[in-house]
Amino acid sequence: KQEVTQIPAALSVPEGENLVLNCSFTDSAIYNLQWFRQDPGKGLTSLLLIQSSQREQTSGRLNASLDKSSGRSTLYIAASQPGDSATYLCAVPPNFGNEKLTFGTGTRLTIIP
Amino acid sequence: DGGITQSPKYLFRKEGQNVTLSCEQNLNHDAMYWYRQDPGQGLRLIYYSQIVNDFQKGDIAEGYSVSREKKESFPLTVTSAQKNPTAFYLCASSSSVNYGYTFGSGTRLTVV
Repeated sequence: KQEVTQIPAALSVPEGENLVLNCSFTDSAIYNLQWFRQDPGKGLTSLLLIQSSQREQTSGRLNASLDKSSGRSTLYIAASQPGDSATYLCAVPPNFGNEKLTFGTGTRLTIIP
Repeated sequence: DGGITQSPKYLFRKEGQNVTLSCEQNLNHDAMYWYRQDPGQGLRLIYYSQIVNDFQKGDIAEGYSVSREKKESFPLTVTSAQKNPTAFYLCASSSSVNYGYTFGSGTRLTVV
């Protein structure tokens, strides 16, 4: 059974700093890994989808990496801004079928102005 | 713009009442999902549907029902059998596992 863990559970950093969020998964046979952000009381917004054949995926100030062999993904946020404050979730799909995503435990990020 | 629309944003239910949450997508996705999120907790799968007229129970289906009569629509009914329905409900869809998942903006249900 796939298990996904995110460390740290919460992180506070001053505005302007670069930061890294971590995601670990136990079963390396994944199709892809998706990073989401969730603002309080809102739905999930997809940030990046990184396929199993890719090592990295970039969108603006965000960069996601994937190392299947070690069961790890990182989300790098450059030049953090107060608007980046949110909960960040990583998720992996099932190995077959189209059933539920397995979500990580989440990292609550606070950017201090 | 393509996306998922959930309505209403806020819903209040009296004890013993059934309520229906709407989820509509115009992404032409085959699969649709309902998740429940409780404060400070992760997302739990209620029901999912991979194709029209077919759906499967997720981890916490008791007290809920769904239908999938159209590809675009996957309504969730919270029945009176659901003893603790106060939560945030999220609908999602995907075309295939390779292309990721899209989520709606959620419905917050409160029992009054």
